[in-house]
Amino acid sequence: QSALTQPASVSGSPGQSITISCTGTSSDIGGYNYVSWYQQHAGKAPKLMIYEVNNRPSGVSTRFSGSKSGNTASLTISGLQVEDEADYYCSSYTSSTTVVFGGGTKLTVL
Amino acid sequence: EVQLVESGGGLVKPGGSLTLSCVGSGFTFNTFSMNWVRQVPGKGLEWVSSISSSSSYIYYADSAKGRFTISRDNAKKSLYLQMNSLRAEDTAVYYCARSVKAWYEAFDIWGQGTMVTVSS
Repeated sequence: QSALTQPASVSGSPGQSITISCTGTSSDIGGYNYVSWYQQHAGKAPKLMIYEVNNRPSGVSTRFSGSKSGNTASLTISGLQVEDEADYYCSSYTSSTTVVFGGGTKLTVL
Repeated sequence: EVQLVESGGGLVKPGGSLTLSCVGSGFTFNTFSMNWVRQVPGKGLEWVSSISSSSSYIYYADSAKGRFTISRDNAKKSLYLQMNSLRAEDTAVYYCARSVKAWYEAFDIWGQGTMVTVSS
């Protein structure tokens, strides 16, 4: 199972909005609504930000939102804040009864 | 406080074995599926294995099949990963993580990770 495809890096200024894409296939993202997104600050464990494509766990800011179209999922962060600077990973359930992660995207808040 | 704490990492020679443990607290451990996810330092996340709440269903990544065994002891609120025939490419931080609902949906609670280094 190949990793989902994410851009290596994205950047934005405080207050702006950014979107991180995550591209898979019909065997993972396109076939199931089990896409999740994780935030990982340097040296820390990942934190769940979005699950089931567009659901936020309790305590996660409403500035984070998820969507999916075909084989591509997206994470949008609005009103960028300095503390949003981190690595972001998408993941999906697959038809092989496995879970696959994306390669990760480094978000820089300029 | 809901928490997962891993232990058991360390330095092991190629071909050797190691067993990782993860203890859960602050939640009803026996009602959640549990998982192991690893991360090579500086690299991305890789799902390793999952086990359902009653151990009835177990799943492995291809990289773990035949070498790793996931198990749990609900009475001890503990998750385990027995790793055999270790290779240099197994060197990583190993995280245990709790599933939100079904085992594959999402992982909402993560431990701090335990480092496994495979080197001669």
